[in-house]
Amino acid sequence: DIQLTQSPSLLSASVGDRVTITCRASQGISSYLVWYQQKPGKAPKLLIYAASTLQSGVPSRFSGSGSGTEFTLTISSLQPEDFATYYCEQVNIYPLTFGGGTKVELK
Amino acid sequence: EVQLVESGGGLVQPGGSLRLSCAASGFIFSDHYMDWVRQAPGEGLEWVGRSRNKANSYTTEYAASVKGRFTISRDDSKNSVYLQVNSLQTEDTAVYYCARYQVSPYRFSDIWGQGTMVTVAS
Repeated sequence: DIQLTQSPSLLSASVGDRVTITCRASQGISSYLVWYQQKPGKAPKLLIYAASTLQSGVPSRFSGSGSGTEFTLTISSLQPEDFATYYCEQVNIYPLTFGGGTKVELK
Repeated sequence: EVQLVESGGGLVQPGGSLRLSCAASGFIFSDHYMDWVRQAPGEGLEWVGRSRNKANSYTTEYAASVKGRFTISRDDSKNSVYLQVNSLQTEDTAVYYCARYQVSPYRFSDIWGQGTMVTVAS
């Protein structure tokens, strides 16, 4: 199975900060990488697919980059509604796998 | 409105069974792959399995942790996908989500249900 390692697992930040989350795959997955946001008690929400394509309706402060084994999710200016947990998912090979998650909390 | 609504969760004893349902609306259900993803309390997301669409013969895929115990089926006439969970273990305790999976030209789960909780305990 492909392992996805997210770092950091916990990120403390302030409103307005630029935030970067990394997702590393144990083997190359081309650009088959998806990012989700999840708030407590809610279902995951699609943010970015194909490593860098923003889902319709997602604010442009979110961006994704990378290919192969290393990927990043960046929030250019953190907003109050962005405090949540973020997951990467590889959709290249079965079984699909998720990273362990990065919780973004208020500093 | 495009939405998925899960049901069927509950409290079950170890070794027991449940059938989870996911009802879709607002889109052409038969065109789409459907996934099940679960999340244990306080933990991350775990992909459980997939039902492909009619064009792909309704074939299925499963995570190793559930293969042989869980079965995914669907009824396009009812716009529903199901997850039969058998031989439940305490580690199967989780919220179970169904999700619509887009496969072409890009791959991602864009619509998720609200989840249904399965608790395995004696």
